[in-house]
Amino acid sequence: DIQMTQSPSSVSASVGDRVTITCRASQGISSWLAWYQQKPGIAPKLLIYTASNLQSGVPSRFSGSGSGTDFTLTISSLQPEDFATYFCQHAKSFPYTFGQGTRLEIK
Amino acid sequence: QVQLQESGPGLVKPSETLSLTCTVSGASISPYYWTWLRQPPGKELQWIGCIYFSGNTNYNPSLKSRVSISVDTSKNQFSLKLRSVTAADAAVYYCARGSSVVVTGGAAFDIWSQGTMVTVSS
Repeated sequence: DIQMTQSPSSVSASVGDRVTITCRASQGISSWLAWYQQKPGIAPKLLIYTASNLQSGVPSRFSGSGSGTDFTLTISSLQPEDFATYFCQHAKSFPYTFGQGTRLEIK
Repeated sequence: QVQLQESGPGLVKPSETLSLTCTVSGASISPYYWTWLRQPPGKELQWIGCIYFSGNTNYNPSLKSRVSISVDTSKNQFSLKLRSVTAADAAVYYCARGSSVVVTGGAAFDIWSQGTMVTVSS
């Protein structure tokens, strides 16, 4: 299986800050990466697919980049509703696997 | 608006079979991939497997010997069966739609159910 490792595991930030979360794959996955946001008790929400494509309805302050093994999710200016857990998922081959998540907390 | 609704028991006895059904409303089963995932408390998501509307399936090798996914296009439903459950199978189970109709497996998941907690206990 391809292992997905996120860093940091948690980050504290303030409204208006720029935040970057990293996801590393244990082998090359081209651009087959998605990012999700999850809030407690709620199903995950797709933010980014194929590494850099913004899902319909997702605010433009979210962006994704990378290819191969290293990827980033950037939130350009944090809003109160952005405090949540974020995780990555590869789709290079079966089984799809997910990162362990990055918890974004209010400073 | 596409919605996914799971149904099935929230409590399963050890060694028995976990059965869940996901009903799709607001869209047709075709031509998408439909997936089951789970998330044990405090742990990362795990992809269980997926089914194409035609019935072709792919399973996580770690669960393949115990899992089966089926689809009923007439009811716009797909189902999960996980046999011989243990405490390690306790998790929130989600059904989801693959966002791509051209990539095997659907690549990403754009529509999710609300999730159902399944406890394994006698």
